[in-house]
Amino acid sequence: EAGVAQSPRYKIIEKRQSVAFWCNPISGHATLYWYQQILGQGPKLLIQFQNNGVVDDSQLPKDRFSAERLKGVDSTLKIQPAKLEDSAVYLCASSSISSPGTQYFGPGTRLLVL
Amino acid sequence: QQQVKQSPQSLIVQKGGISIINCAYENTAFDYFPWYQQFPGKGPALLIAIRPDVSEKKEGRFTISFNKSAKQFSLHIMDSQPGDSATYFCAARGYQKVTFGTGTKLQVIP
Repeated sequence: EAGVAQSPRYKIIEKRQSVAFWCNPISGHATLYWYQQILGQGPKLLIQFQNNGVVDDSQLPKDRFSAERLKGVDSTLKIQPAKLEDSAVYLCASSSISSPGTQYFGPGTRLLVL
Repeated sequence: QQQVKQSPQSLIVQKGGISIINCAYENTAFDYFPWYQQFPGKGPALLIAIRPDVSEKKEGRFTISFNKSAKQFSLHIMDSQPGDSATYFCAARGYQKVTFGTGTKLQVIP
């Protein structure tokens, strides 16, 4: 089975610019997660979708971050405007309804904000 | 309290030795405790997981020990190999959400 796909793999932008990341989860996985992983730290959940509805976005900085999963399959995460502290790896993960604790991660998008 | 505390931050073990990573939690509502392994440039990958009604789970060289009363769990890697060099994250699931520890960078030296 194909894994979680993410693009781009790397992105360099200047502060105050906008950026978007894309994620395609494993086929049939209803739950999709976006995490932010700062160097040397564990992944921090930004937003969790079940199908196309938001389950948890309590740690999403909503003044600059937005995410959508319109058709309940792939998802985009946007940052506008970016700040220096947004430099991190953005990980997408998915899980099935039957095994919610088992998340499958994509390779991540490494963002550098200059 | 959703926090999961992990130690040590880094670990150096000789080939063939035992690597031990510890985690502690506060929230008794957590019901599933996975460990993830992450290599540089890759996303985390599920390594092994345990439920709180079991005190130990073993898969190959990897063992989770779980102490429900102390609210602690640990990962033991037996016969550690250089290929095990990676960052390991413990995690805990509760309220449909998974909380990760801060990670342990393991280096296995020949």
